[in-house]
Amino acid sequence: DAGITQSPRYKITETGRQVTLMCHQTWSHSYMFWYRQDLGHGLRLIYYSAAADITDKGEVPDGYVVSRSKTENFPLTLESATRSQTSVYFCAAVRDRNTGELFFGEGSRLTVL
Amino acid sequence: AQTVTQSQPEMSVQEAETVTLSCTYDTSESDYYLFWYKQPPSRQMILVIRQEAYKQQNATENRFSVNFQKAAKSFSLKISDSQLGDAAMYFCAYKWDTGTASKLTFGTGTRLQVTL
Repeated sequence: DAGITQSPRYKITETGRQVTLMCHQTWSHSYMFWYRQDLGHGLRLIYYSAAADITDKGEVPDGYVVSRSKTENFPLTLESATRSQTSVYFCAAVRDRNTGELFFGEGSRLTVL
Repeated sequence: AQTVTQSQPEMSVQEAETVTLSCTYDTSESDYYLFWYKQPPSRQMILVIRQEAYKQQNATENRFSVNFQKAAKSFSLKISDSQLGDAAMYFCAYKWDTGTASKLTFGTGTRLQVTL
């Protein structure tokens, strides 16, 4: 079930440029998350959202901005990309509110030159 | 802060053999959930197994089972009859609740190689 769609899957950009990673869910789950995956760090939480218009910082929010005007969309913006933001980014939604189990998108690989 | 530690960056197992991946975590909570996720080369994150802390019985899903030691805060994953398709990164995760949301904290992962 392809419930979460991320785009683009691959992106190369330059330092200082603005980049937006899109995340769309076909369900209406309330909770959505953005993680970044880096070797040696596992997955680290950037931002999360409990519902439309409700967002909060995670573990590594600096340099990122999120919005959630509609329940199904949760874009992540790098306002001025830096090389340290080269990473794989995962969007996720809570699949089961009792257990907190997450369902992930396929990831977006971002390279900042 | 809740932390999850996977002390084995890489593991290797022969096909049809059994392998155990280690995970420890830190929490002051009494009820919580733990998960193992698999990430094959396709990059997709796939849930392997979950365990609720108040359930003493270890979770099992086909060839995958856990050894949950609550007092020791240990949550290891055992893969029996390993198959080539089991080769992947495996992440241990702990679910914790803030005032506004439930969040998962992940370990750094263990890369599992399966050899013939």
